[in-house]
Amino acid sequence: DGGITQSPKYLFRKEGQNVTLSCEQNLNHDAMYWYRQDPGQGLRLIYYSQIVNDFQKGDIAEGYSVSREKKESFPLTVTSAQKNPTAFYLCASSIWQGKGNQPQHFGDGTRLSIL
Amino acid sequence: AQKITQTQPGMFVQEKEAVTLDCTYDTSDPSYGLFWYKQPSSGEMIFLIYQGSYDQQNATEGRYSLNFQKARKSANLVISASQLGDSAMYFCAMREGAGGATNKLIFGTGTLLAVQP
Repeated sequence: DGGITQSPKYLFRKEGQNVTLSCEQNLNHDAMYWYRQDPGQGLRLIYYSQIVNDFQKGDIAEGYSVSREKKESFPLTVTSAQKNPTAFYLCASSIWQGKGNQPQHFGDGTRLSIL
Repeated sequence: AQKITQTQPGMFVQEKEAVTLDCTYDTSDPSYGLFWYKQPSSGEMIFLIYQGSYDQQNATEGRYSLNFQKARKSANLVISASQLGDSAMYFCAMREGAGGATNKLIFGTGTLLAVQP
């Protein structure tokens, strides 16, 4: 089945550690996105990528980094510079251009907690 | 700046009744799109329905319909014949930018719907 796979489902980070969240899609979508969701809040955009080897900062990019070496993959690294990383992280993908009615398709998310 | 507002933090509805979830938006772009997503307790985001700013008719998808009032900048989601499985968080989102050239979304803070038997 086509879809988006995020791993791991749960992740724990020690103080000062970098951790990487995986996101893989087999929908042949050009664009991929990373969102952060805090309790009782909506989704906030961290980074997005329209095409391989290119990505743009979203609204809350500080303390995060991404890469887009393959169309299918868009990993997110939460660096030690991110002081409050405990959150639910959602990856999404979509067709970038064309009709604006194309929805974003989401993975099941990764819950990151600080030990 | 573009903004999405959902003023209902939580709502209850009896099973089999209809419920309306409110969403207002603010944008200066004449071309935009509005999306509703459902987020069950498991966390995944499920796309429900889309309304384009130039669409002449209100969008419908099964039990979901959108009450789109452009002059009032509102795009309320109506769920008919509520089911227990409809209990979830519901998010309204707006596509940012004009003319379909970009697909970035801005999300509201969500409404938690609880369907009671």
